[in-house]
Amino acid sequence: DIVMTQSPDSLAVSLGERATINCKSSQSVLYSSNNKNCLAWYQQKPGQPPKLLIYWASTRESGVPDRFSGSGSGTDFTLTISSLQAEDVAVYYCQQYFGTPLTFGGGTKVEIK
Amino acid sequence: EVQLVESGGGLVQPGGSLRLSCAASGFTFSSYWMHWVRQAPGKGLVWVSRIDIDGSRTTYADSVKGRFTVSRDNAKDTLFLQMNSLRDEDTAVYYCARGYTSSWPNWFDSWGQGTLVTVSS
Repeated sequence: DIVMTQSPDSLAVSLGERATINCKSSQSVLYSSNNKNCLAWYQQKPGQPPKLLIYWASTRESGVPDRFSGSGSGTDFTLTISSLQAEDVAVYYCQQYFGTPLTFGGGTKVEIK
Repeated sequence: EVQLVESGGGLVQPGGSLRLSCAASGFTFSSYWMHWVRQAPGKGLVWVSRIDIDGSRTTYADSVKGRFTVSRDNAKDTLFLQMNSLRDEDTAVYYCARGYTSSWPNWFDSWGQGTLVTVSS
């Protein structure tokens, strides 16, 4: 199984400041057919289901604000919220879809400082 | 608008069975892979199972293999998860999720609200 490790477990950021979440996979998730990384990011607010933010490591889902961006390749990935808004308080998960079982990171809780 | 509505959750004793359903609307259900993902109370997300567009191919997490069966009825736009030999550790909110495409690789672009399964004596 591909193990996904997120850091930090939680972080507190001031409104308008940058939030950075890291995700590391235990093996490369680079899909050779299109040279893209099989890595997605989800946002889950309290009491709600997860919501897709990013796929192919850096492609923003339709309707997702452009303050959310994804980067990285191979085994190391980052989700950046460029200017944290109050509505961004949530738990964020990375997920690999390179191999079965599909696996998630443990989540990073983002709060307002 | 894509809608996924789960039902069938509840309280069941260890060793018991439950059948979850997920009613889909707002898209051509038969064109998408579908998945089940669960989340134990206060914990993270765990993928459970997937099924391809016509139900001919299914895959399961090791933790549920041999106990859970995923199926679909494309005529009724409904996904199912038959859960047998339930254990305490199966207690979770179960989400159905749509796969982004009808082929591999596949991630989750829409999620239902979830249904809670509690396994307890």
